[in-house]
Amino acid sequence: RKEVEQDPGPFNVPEGATVAFNCTYSNSASQSFFWYRQDCRKEPKLLMSVYSSGNEDGRFTAQLNRASQYISLLIRDSKLSDSATYLCVVNKYGNKLVFGAGTILRVKS
Amino acid sequence: EAGVAQSPRYKIIEKRQSVAFWCNPISGHATLYWYQQILGQGPKLLIQFQNNGVVDDSQLPKDRFSAERLKGVDSTLKIQPAKLEDSAVYLCASSLEGSGSTEAFFGQGTRLTVV
Repeated sequence: RKEVEQDPGPFNVPEGATVAFNCTYSNSASQSFFWYRQDCRKEPKLLMSVYSSGNEDGRFTAQLNRASQYISLLIRDSKLSDSATYLCVVNKYGNKLVFGAGTILRVKS
Repeated sequence: EAGVAQSPRYKIIEKRQSVAFWCNPISGHATLYWYQQILGQGPKLLIQFQNNGVVDDSQLPKDRFSAERLKGVDSTLKIQPAKLEDSAVYLCASSLEGSGSTEAFFGQGTRLTVV
């Protein structure tokens, strides 16, 4: 089993749609969680951290369920500029960051 | 603030040749990572340094890959000899020493093609 699993997609959605991505992780001792965004042929960049209580940043909402070892990202009112690969990232311990394979989002006009 | 610098940006070599990549992390960042990203996959950790010590190199193919971070600042990753399956983007990242909730900043990567 992979340490971090994501649905690869692609998710093809119209502008203005709401879309949700899920991620599961295998190590129950994992300490912290993130969503990174990666544009085509670019480096990954932090989108947001994920907190146990859930957190929101504008149109983006992240949630964590430690009991189910599950992380989600919700994007509301999708924009063309949201088209990218979204990487689920888990900090196992000691700042060791493990990346999922990524979920591709394509927002179309 | 300057970001993570990597060079070269692109490299094409023949199999069995050697190649080296260089990374200069953000000033003051104690943790430095080297990741390998094959097309269509997520980044895979090769090696993690804390200052000039190795924290994790469990996924580094040590028969052909080596890395060092002298003086706890910049780092080099070497492949010798290269194989076709080493074709990938090699990403360097750095982060502040901390609790594990700190952001990792990535360089633009080195795109390696082995022919």
